[in-house]
Amino acid sequence: RKEVEQDPGPFNVPEGATVAFNCTYSNSASQSFFWYRQDCRKEPKLLMSVYSSGNEDGRFTAQLNRASQYISLLIRDSKLSDSATYLCVVNMHSGGGADGLTFGKGTHLIIQP
Amino acid sequence: EAGVTQFPSHSVIEKGQTVTLRCDPISGHDNLYWYRRVMGKEIKFLLHFVKESKQDESGMPNNRFLAERTGGTYSTLKVQPAELEDSGVYFCASSLIAGGRYNEQFFGPGTRLTVL
Repeated sequence: RKEVEQDPGPFNVPEGATVAFNCTYSNSASQSFFWYRQDCRKEPKLLMSVYSSGNEDGRFTAQLNRASQYISLLIRDSKLSDSATYLCVVNMHSGGGADGLTFGKGTHLIIQP
Repeated sequence: EAGVTQFPSHSVIEKGQTVTLRCDPISGHDNLYWYRRVMGKEIKFLLHFVKESKQDESGMPNNRFLAERTGGTYSTLKVQPAELEDSGVYFCASSLIAGGRYNEQFFGPGTRLTVL
C-alpha cells in the first residue's frame, strides 16, 4: 500500500466550477499535512498547510480527517490558472528530527474555458 | 531574496559515468533536503542535512549516491557510477527550521538527469 494515495485524474473541469480532491495516507503517526501545487516541468510550491480544524485561503479549503486518515482540497470558482498537478504531502516527523516529506503522485487538474 | 538554486538544470550522461549535482539553499536556511522523482513515480525523499550534518539519509537508494554539505552552505549530490534507473528529476529544498509542524520547505527548480 502506498504511503500517500491520490486519484491521478485528470480532472477536466469547466472554468468557474468547484472541484474537490481527496488523498489518503497510511501512517497514522503523520503529523503535518500539506497541499503543494506543481506546474508542468516546474518545482512543487506550497499551496497550503492543512490544519486539524480545517482551513481556508481564498478560494481554497483544506480539511483533515485523522480518524479516516484522509485529506481533502476544495477549489471554488476555478480559474484557468488553477490548471496544475496538486500534490498531497505528509510529514511524519519521525524520531531524531527526521523531516523528509512524503508525497503522493499528484492529481492533474485541467480547467477548461 | 533568491530562492533555492540548482545546477545544472539538465544533465545527460552515459551509464557508468559520474555526475555531480549542486544545490544552493536560501541564505540562512540550515535545513537542506534532496528529493528525486523518477518517471511515473511520486517524489521521494533522499536525505536531510542540518547545517553540514546528515540528519536523515534513510531515502538514499544505495552507496552509488554521495551527498555532501561542507561548511553547511551549498550541497552536492554525486552519483557514481550512474545507472539507467537513476534517470529522473532531482529536487533540492531548504527550510529555516525543522521538526516543527507546518515548516515550509522551499524547492529548487530541479536537475533533470538522463542516463543513457
